[in-house]
Amino acid sequence: KNEVEQSPQNLTAQEGEFITINCSYSVGISALHWLQQHPGGGIVSLFMLSSGKKKHGRLIATINIQEKHSSLHITASHPRDSAVYICAVGETSGSRLTFGEGTQLTVNP
Amino acid sequence: DVKVTQSSRYLVKRTGEKVFLECVQDMDHENMFWYRQDPGLGLRLIYFSYDVKMKEKGDIPEGYSVSREKKERFSLILESASTNQTSMYLCASSLTLRSTEAFFGQGTRLTVV
Repeated sequence: KNEVEQSPQNLTAQEGEFITINCSYSVGISALHWLQQHPGGGIVSLFMLSSGKKKHGRLIATINIQEKHSSLHITASHPRDSAVYICAVGETSGSRLTFGEGTQLTVNP
Repeated sequence: DVKVTQSSRYLVKRTGEKVFLECVQDMDHENMFWYRQDPGLGLRLIYFSYDVKMKEKGDIPEGYSVSREKKERFSLILESASTNQTSMYLCASSLTLRSTEAFFGQGTRLTVV
């Protein structure tokens, strides 16, 4: 079983829809990261969370430390949001990140 | 703007060749990382370095080595490329992953034929 599990693996939405991507983890963490990867490969860090909720534009990330669960929400989705979204955790026991397999999001116009 | 730059976006190499992937960061970060990314497996850590000339094996170091002679540069070396090393390779740097975000390069898609 992976230490970081994301769901769904693939998600197709219509423009304007509200989108949720989930991440569950099984280890103690110092922080959780949400990353975005567009076709072509480059990865951009969206959020780093250790508690509560963060918002940036149409993106909202939440984390529940007790339940070891985080969600990434996209409001009013747009085709340019189409990308792979990756959850990663920084473990308290080490200095490296452990990654989920990613969620491929496609937003159709 | 912070920057992590990988020397190539796309590479095609022959089986048995020695391959160098270069990564440079301009943020004076202590930590640098090399990952490979494969469908269904996500990102997996090959090697990381927490200081000049210091290196630690990650989860899949076999067939790879690294070099960090200067703080800003971290090189991944495939001693004798094989077809199962065809993958997307991503470099990252961070001040410390315990409390700050990681910055990634644009990736190198390596094909070994």
